Amino acid sequence: EAQVTQNPRYLITVTGKKLTVTCSQNMNHEYMSWYRQDPGLGLRQIYYSMNVEVTDKGDVPEGYKVSRKEKRNFPLILESPSPNQTSLYFCASSNTGNYGYTFGSGTRLTVV
Amino acid sequence: GIQVEQSPPDLILQEGANSTLRCNFSDSVNNLQWFHQNPWGQLINLFYIPSGTKQNGRLSATTVATERYSLLYISSSQTTDSGVYFCAVEGWGDYKLSFGAGTTVTVRA
Repeated sequence: EAQVTQNPRYLITVTGKKLTVTCSQNMNHEYMSWYRQDPGLGLRQIYYSMNVEVTDKGDVPEGYKVSRKEKRNFPLILESPSPNQTSLYFCASSNTGNYGYTFGSGTRLTVV
Repeated sequence: GIQVEQSPPDLILQEGANSTLRCNFSDSVNNLQWFHQNPWGQLINLFYIPSGTKQNGRLSATTVATERYSLLYISSSQTTDSGVYFCAVEGWGDYKLSFGAGTTVTVRA
């Protein structure tokens, strides 16, 4: 089944403890991106990648890092999480063109 | 960036009723998608529809790109249709989806 897989689905962590949210797609898509969803602010793009080793900032990149060493994987790294990064995170992928974006199931992150 | 407005913000329906959700956008787009966010937070892709009309079961959508709007029709609504419906667009060269604020649909049995 064609899908975008995020892990974990739920995570509670403490301020300052580095964490990684993984994202993997099995559709050979070139394009991948990360969004966060917050009440009243909607969904906003954090980072995106056009292909392997090509990444760029979205609208809210502060406090996040990404890497794209393989086409299928696009992990989101929070090196020193803070409570304002408590959010619902989505990974998405597409094949720049004609079929739209496929989203993962989301990761609900709480930083205390 | 592209502005996306959805209406109405909230919709309460009796099971079996029909409804229309609207999405207006401020510039030309090369991608428009409708999503349903279920109570577990998952974003389910309903339609990829930058132009034209599509149908999938009880749902259908129409996008009139020249007039910068899209409509999502829900017919014979069921309680499982409850949730938030998002319209999202991608402008030419944007490399991101801009989401509307969503329409919260509640279907009562």
